[in-house]
Amino acid sequence: EVQLVESGGGLVQPGRSLRLSCAASGFTFDDYAMHWVRQAPGKGLEWVSGISWNSGNIGYADSVKGRFTISRDNAKNSLYLQMNSLKVEDTALYYCAKDTGIAAPPGDAFDIWGQGTMVTVSS
Amino acid sequence: DIQMTQSPSSLSASVGDRVTITCRASQSISSYLHWHQHKPGKAPKLLIYAASSLQGGVPSRFSGRGSGTDFTLTISSLQPEDFATYYCQQSYSTPITFGQGTKLEIK
Repeated sequence: EVQLVESGGGLVQPGRSLRLSCAASGFTFDDYAMHWVRQAPGKGLEWVSGISWNSGNIGYADSVKGRFTISRDNAKNSLYLQMNSLKVEDTALYYCAKDTGIAAPPGDAFDIWGQGTMVTVSS
Repeated sequence: DIQMTQSPSSLSASVGDRVTITCRASQSISSYLHWHQHKPGKAPKLLIYAASSLQGGVPSRFSGRGSGTDFTLTISSLQPEDFATYYCQQSYSTPITFGQGTKLEIK
């Protein structure tokens, strides 16, 4: 079964750091680009970051550039998001998503999504 | 950044109705437009990719049209399981952007 499972969310104070992980299974992980997308409470979907199959191409939303770092370990079939200098406005459900192509960002469509991991930034 | 504008923002309809949701891009995105369905507490689901191609396993009552700046998602005969929020998404350029969503509710 094709699956993405996020982990690492939680409650954190403003200014602190958190690292999200996404474990992939059921497909050849290093054949595809991957993304992080978030949804703040009561809001729509917002693309956060994307990474190509070999980490050679990486992109970020302006709202997280300089604070978040996306990475992947193809040997472990895993995607990561290191989040530093967290702000209250980073509070959201963070989804991992698989691209249908190899060379994102921007890439193609997101055909597989995880269930998400919740990040709450509050003092 | 490319802005994606959906209309309407919300829609009330009945089982069996035909509904159409519109998505407009602030500049031409060719056919780099995709539609997702999202239900509360669930992972989003890809319905349509490249403006008009039906994702595998998605019922044929869903269809997409358009290119350039104007796109539509049509559900030909609403079923109870179709009540959800629908998002368009462009992958023409970075940053990838989504429409604000269209919430489809039961009348």
